[in-house]
Amino acid sequence: QVQLQESGPGLVKPSETLSLTCTVSGDSVSHNHWSWIRQSPEKGLTWIGYIYKTGTTKYNPSLESRVTISVDTSKNQLSLKLTSATAADTAVYYCVKSSRSRFDPWGQGTLVTVSS
Amino acid sequence: DIQMTQSPSSLSASVRDRVTITCRASQSINTYLNWYQHKPGKAPNLLIYGAANVQSGVPSRFSGSGSGTDFTLTISSLQLEDCATYYCQQTYTGTPYTFGQGTTLEIK
Repeated sequence: QVQLQESGPGLVKPSETLSLTCTVSGDSVSHNHWSWIRQSPEKGLTWIGYIYKTGTTKYNPSLESRVTISVDTSKNQLSLKLTSATAADTAVYYCVKSSRSRFDPWGQGTLVTVSS
Repeated sequence: DIQMTQSPSSLSASVRDRVTITCRASQSINTYLNWYQHKPGKAPNLLIYGAANVQSGVPSRFSGSGSGTDFTLTISSLQLEDCATYYCQQTYTGTPYTFGQGTTLEIK
């Protein structure tokens, strides 16, 4: 059974980098697509991007200039970095296995607030 | 980006009712359409993929249909545990994946 668990700071200051980690169990991050998605009351669910086979990435054009998704195969983790954070980046962030266009399963999500 | 519009935004129904939620895409997405159920404090759960394929482990009362721009999620006989918010998502190749705004389902 594949399980995903997000972790990282719950509070980020404006202009700083938002960094999150997702630990995967029951599957290898070296295989399949792995996505990050966020949810806010204002914008609903937003797909941020995915990484495939440890190297290929595809990002939402609306965030592409600030986003980096990577994997650490030794720890079986994926990570998300979002630079120049603003209040608009306040959201619950989910990591998701996104293989063959099926987004399943999802992690429980982690709330990140951008505030001074 | 492809815009996904769900209707209604919320609805209230009784146990054993048949419930239908619709999702419309701003352009044709073939059958690249998923449905999710989301309960507060829990991870969203994939119900339907490819517009009409029921994900393993999902009760048979859930079904999906449609192609092109118009899609429906149907719950054939509503149960108490179906109280949740439902989202559609398009995964059409070459575009940013986008979601509907959600439909909140309440049990009367």
